[in-house]
Amino acid sequence: NAGVTQTPKFQVLKTGQSMTLQCAQDMNHNSMYWYRQDPGMGLRLIYYSASEGTTDKGEVPNGYNVSRLNKREFSLRLESAAPSQTSVYFCASTKGTVSQETQYFGPGTRLLVL
Amino acid sequence: AQSVTQPDIHITVSEGASLELRCNYSYGATPYLFWYVQSPGQGLQLLLKYFSGDTLVQGIKGFEAEFKRSQSSFNLRKPSVHWSDAAEYFCAVGASGGSYIPTFGRGTSLIVHP
Repeated sequence: NAGVTQTPKFQVLKTGQSMTLQCAQDMNHNSMYWYRQDPGMGLRLIYYSASEGTTDKGEVPNGYNVSRLNKREFSLRLESAAPSQTSVYFCASTKGTVSQETQYFGPGTRLLVL
Repeated sequence: AQSVTQPDIHITVSEGASLELRCNYSYGATPYLFWYVQSPGQGLQLLLKYFSGDTLVQGIKGFEAEFKRSQSSFNLRKPSVHWSDAAEYFCAVGASGGSYIPTFGRGTSLIVHP
């Protein structure tokens, strides 16, 4: 099992460019999440998908869109990147939507927007 | 809504010394509590979690945490720190009712001196 995989690992964008961050899990999990991590801010939830076919906004959704392509894949799109979106992005998954669930995280995508 | 505070941004210990990382939560009912570790350049990995039963929880890598309802705390401990424990540690609280998605603290960075 690869667990949760993310591509790319690193990316540099210019302001206004667009890109899609890819995430896939091979654990047959139902729920998937996108977080951003900034120094001193911990993890902040951008979007999540409780199950295939559903997506919901998290704490900081502005400037992002998501697609739950199928049960395995959950992508995050930046339509017009801004320097404020420079961050480390983590994808995570859980088997279900019970509060005791353990989250499994990918290795992260480090994004720099110039 | 639940919230979590990690009062210490950085903690420095010597290798072989004991460790305690603090976590305080705010939630009206019984919380679900987690500690995750993030090694440099990696995603988060679950160390341990509490949702019922014995208030002293054992985790991986020799870590333990104790749930103290009267103090709204869930502090992480290790009797003897190894250099490989240098990492970022995140406490998270989940709600037994309402949103199932945990809220993360801002993290504590552990520095281990040889």
